[in-house]
Amino acid sequence: DAGVTQSPTHLIKTRGQQVTLRCSPKSGHDTVSWYQQALGQGPQFIFQYYEEEERQRGNFPDRFSGHQFPNYSSELNVNALLLGDSALYLCASNGGGNEKLFFGSGTQLSVL
Amino acid sequence: AQKITQTQPGMFVQEKEAVTLDCTYDTSDQSYGLFWYKQPSSGEMIFLIYQGSYDEQNATEGRYSLNFQKARKSANLVISASQLGDSAMYFCAMRERGFQKLVFGTGTRLLVSP
Repeated sequence: DAGVTQSPTHLIKTRGQQVTLRCSPKSGHDTVSWYQQALGQGPQFIFQYYEEEERQRGNFPDRFSGHQFPNYSSELNVNALLLGDSALYLCASNGGGNEKLFFGSGTQLSVL
Repeated sequence: AQKITQTQPGMFVQEKEAVTLDCTYDTSDQSYGLFWYKQPSSGEMIFLIYQGSYDEQNATEGRYSLNFQKARKSANLVISASQLGDSAMYFCAMRERGFQKLVFGTGTRLLVSP
């Protein structure tokens, strides 16, 4: 049973560029959440997708957008990258009424 | 507003000993869930244990147990018989009913020595 998978594992971009991160949820899960973890901090909630709709959003600007596909996989898009966007981006999934949230290994984004 | 406080930036323990990682939380809701995650240097957040606010028994998962004291708003993680592989960052998190997000603490770095 595959867990939550994310791609790519590492990414280097320059300021002003756009980036797309991808996530496949754990088998049987239909809800995907995205988190940003800056160095030395706990993860911060970006948004959550369920039934292809954004269900809740954290305190992140509109440069951060997402999408969920019919197979429940998800993308996180960040436009006009800033140096401060450098972080580990974690995807998490849950579903079936289960409270437990399972995370992927993350995508390490570096903005130069 | 939800808030998680982890006051121990770092903890040291010898192999095979037990260790307690502290977590206090703040919420005005009566229904919420508490989580502990382990994050090794690889970056993956590994689910350890979950406690619902209405659960009467303290949660246990193998060597992990959650010491839930509702009146004190604390949810400490107890790791019994520490192993070298337990060395990692540990995060406490909370989710209130009706909200989808987890709110995390700042984490505690645990170092297990031989």
